[in-house]
Amino acid sequence: AQSVSQHNHHVILSEAASLELGCNYSYGGTVNLFWYVQYPGQHLQLLLKYFSGDPLVKGIKGFEAEFIKSKFSFNLRKPSVQWSDTAEYFCAVMGSSASKIIFGSGTRLSIRP
Amino acid sequence: DAGITQSPRYKITETGRQVTLMCHQTWSHSYMFWYRQDLGHGLRLIYYSAAADITDKGEVPDGYVVSRSKTENFPLTLESATRSQTSVYFCASSEYLNTEAFFGQGTRLTVV
Repeated sequence: AQSVSQHNHHVILSEAASLELGCNYSYGGTVNLFWYVQYPGQHLQLLLKYFSGDPLVKGIKGFEAEFIKSKFSFNLRKPSVQWSDTAEYFCAVMGSSASKIIFGSGTRLSIRP
Repeated sequence: DAGITQSPRYKITETGRQVTLMCHQTWSHSYMFWYRQDLGHGLRLIYYSAAADITDKGEVPDGYVVSRSKTENFPLTLESATRSQTSVYFCASSEYLNTEAFFGQGTRLTVV
């Protein structure tokens, strides 16, 4: 069975600080990985995705994530956060032989202006 | 307008009542999903569907029923609502197995 762990439940940063949100998954085969963002009061939107190829994936709004297969990790990074990045961030995994996307419990990011 | 829409956006119902949440997508995506979002649990998959007339259970299917007679619709029914089903429900669709899922705006359901 596939599962996703996000260890940081709530992260508080000041503007311009660097961000790294952890994501670890459990699945025995090839995976597709996603990061979604949910701004306050809105639905989920895709930030970036990894299917294959370069393990360093760049997404929208300056976000990037690195797939490290040996660590079963897909951490999200941003070099300098802005107040508008305040949101909840979800890591998700889809096993290559599965037909469903499983989400982590989410990380709430609060940015101090 | 193309997209995925959920209705109603807000619903209050009483314990024991049956309630149906609607989800409609205009892309003819094959895959559709229902999730519930609860504090501390993130999004949990209730049911999903790979095509019309094909549905399968997710992580938390108990107390819910789905159907998919048409590709574009994927209603979720709570047969006898309980307070523990108070949640925000999100519907999503994706074109293929390994592509991005697009989410609806959500339905906030309160069971009193």
